[in-house]
Amino acid sequence: EDKVVQSPLSLVVHEGDTVTLNCSYEVTNFRSLLWYKQEKKAPTFLFMLTSSGIEKKSGRLSSILDKKELFSILNITATQTGDSAIYLCAVERGGGKLIFGQGTELSVKP
Amino acid sequence: NAGVTQTPKFRILKIGQSMTLQCTQDMNHNYMYWYRQDPGMGLKLIYYSVGAGITDKGEVPNGYNVSRSTTEDFPLRLELAAPSQTSVYFCASRGEGYEQYFGPGTRLTVT
Repeated sequence: EDKVVQSPLSLVVHEGDTVTLNCSYEVTNFRSLLWYKQEKKAPTFLFMLTSSGIEKKSGRLSSILDKKELFSILNITATQTGDSAIYLCAVERGGGKLIFGQGTELSVKP
Repeated sequence: NAGVTQTPKFRILKIGQSMTLQCTQDMNHNYMYWYRQDPGMGLKLIYYSVGAGITDKGEVPNGYNVSRSTTEDFPLRLELAAPSQTSVYFCASRGEGYEQYFGPGTRLTVT
């Protein structure tokens, strides 16, 4: 059975801290891994990863995929209160089907 | 550009009632998806479609039905609503790229 597992489930940090969110997967016919941010409404797209070892970066956020060990990490440096959200990892398999993990709830305290 | 629209935004149903959640996209996307999100949980795929006339089950299809008669519309039908179907429902679409565009969600309560 396909599954996507995120850890930790929740995390509380202070502004300025660096955080690492984890996503491991067991999915047949892997095509891509995607990260989303959700703030009390619909998820918004952050990154899409298809190749191992190539870091995607956007401002203070970065992500990398390891297709051999079947996991990805999302790093956020110099966290701000506006980074507080649920971060979702999803894996696309062949045929267009996406499997989401349960999410990591990040809370950044001032 | 409207993107993905969903109606209604909120709905309360009694046990055993039926309803249709509407989803429309104006981006000419082939792929469309229905998810449900329970409190504190990630998204669970209910049904998806890779093009007009083609639908397939996701992880949690029981109690739901879909149709895809046009590229734009992907309605989700609930028959005989149950309290376990209380959730927030998101519709999404995707073109040939990988980014999914989500609708604003429908909050459904079954009592």
